This record gives sequence, C-alpha cells and structure tokens, in this order.
Amino acid sequence: DGGITQSPKYLFRKEGQNVTLSCEQNLNHDAMYWYRQDPGQGLRLIYYSQIVNDFQKGDIAEGYSVSREKKESFPLTVTSAQKNPTAFYLCASSIVTASGSNEQFFGPGTRLTVL
Amino acid sequence: KQEVTQIPAALSVPEGENLVLNCSFTDSAIYNLQWFRQDPGKGLTSLLLIQSSQREQTSGRLNASLDKSSGRSTLYIAASQPGDSATYLCAVGTDKLIFGTGTRLQVFP
Repeated sequence: DGGITQSPKYLFRKEGQNVTLSCEQNLNHDAMYWYRQDPGQGLRLIYYSQIVNDFQKGDIAEGYSVSREKKESFPLTVTSAQKNPTAFYLCASSIVTASGSNEQFFGPGTRLTVL
Repeated sequence: KQEVTQIPAALSVPEGENLVLNCSFTDSAIYNLQWFRQDPGKGLTSLLLIQSSQREQTSGRLNASLDKSSGRSTLYIAASQPGDSATYLCAVGTDKLIFGTGTRLQVFP
C-alpha cells in the first residue's frame, strides 16, 4: 500500500516547546516537501529536499528545521522560535526529472495547536 | 514574484451542472500547473498535472486547460455530483509550488 504517511494527526504544543512532525513515503520519490496551510491562505512552502542529506529553505523557513537522513523520511521540527505555529502541516513528495520536480503527492496532514 | 489567484472563492451549483473553475498566474514562465482537491480537514489529492509544453489534460469528468500567454488555467467539471463538493486548489511551479487560495465548491442534490 504505497503512499505518504504523516504522524501524529493532531498535536498540541505548549509555548516554548519544540515538536517534531513525522513524514514517511514508500513511493521511492526523490523529493520531499513541507507546507503550511492557514485558514483563508494558500499553502506556503517551508522546506524541501531533492536528495538525501540536502535541503533548501522555502518561503517561510524561520522557526522550523528539517533533516533528510533517509530517502523515505523528512521530519519537520517546529521550534520555539516559530511565533505562530498553530496551523495545518502538509508533507508532499515527487519524483525528480531532468526538467525538475514532477507531480506532487500529499500526505493526510498534521494539525498543530499551541496551547 | 509569482502570484496565483482563483476565482470564484466559493461556488454553489445544483447537481448535473457543468462548471468551470478559474486560476490565473502572474508569471507565464511556469513549468508545471497542478490542480488539487481538498476535503475538509484532509490532505490534498492530485487531480491533474499540466506540464509547460502541454495545453490540456483530461481525467474522467475533469478537463484542465493551460494558456501560458494569458496566464490562465481552467478546470472544467462535467455533470457535477454532490461527491464533487470540496475545495479545489491550483498551484504553479516545479520544485516550489505556489498555491492559489482555492475555490470552495458545493454541489447540492
């Protein structure tokens, strides 16, 4: 059963805490992405990675960190430096061709709430 | 800077109608345009991908067209059904997708 899994589905964080969101894919995709979705706004790119041990900042990387130690996994850490972390977080993956990344496929999302 | 706009923001139609959702973008030097569906509280489901060299793609009752010169894409849904009710998002780019804010569609019986 191929796809992208994200865990947990719901996450609650106290102010000042770091939390890590999990994203795993078994599609053998090279590239993985993290987006944030806020009500009334489009998705915004946080970080992306096209190859193991390499990643690039997206448009809103401040207060977030990632790692890509395995092709299948791309965890996102929301640090205490992120001032407004309450949002819906979506992970995606795609193959990479000579012309760039191809069709992106998304996981089910993690809803993070700061208490 | 690429900006993506979707009009209308919301749409309510009776079952059986054919409908068109619009997506416009400011930078015509795009590589891919992708249409997604999102149900409340869920992730995105990819519907159609139009690569830069293509003009349209079809899947079942869905047809998406791309006109780079005018900076527009349309998603045509034929014979709409209540199960089509969802938010439809368009996005442009390759490595970095830029998303519109979506059209919330309701199809009532």
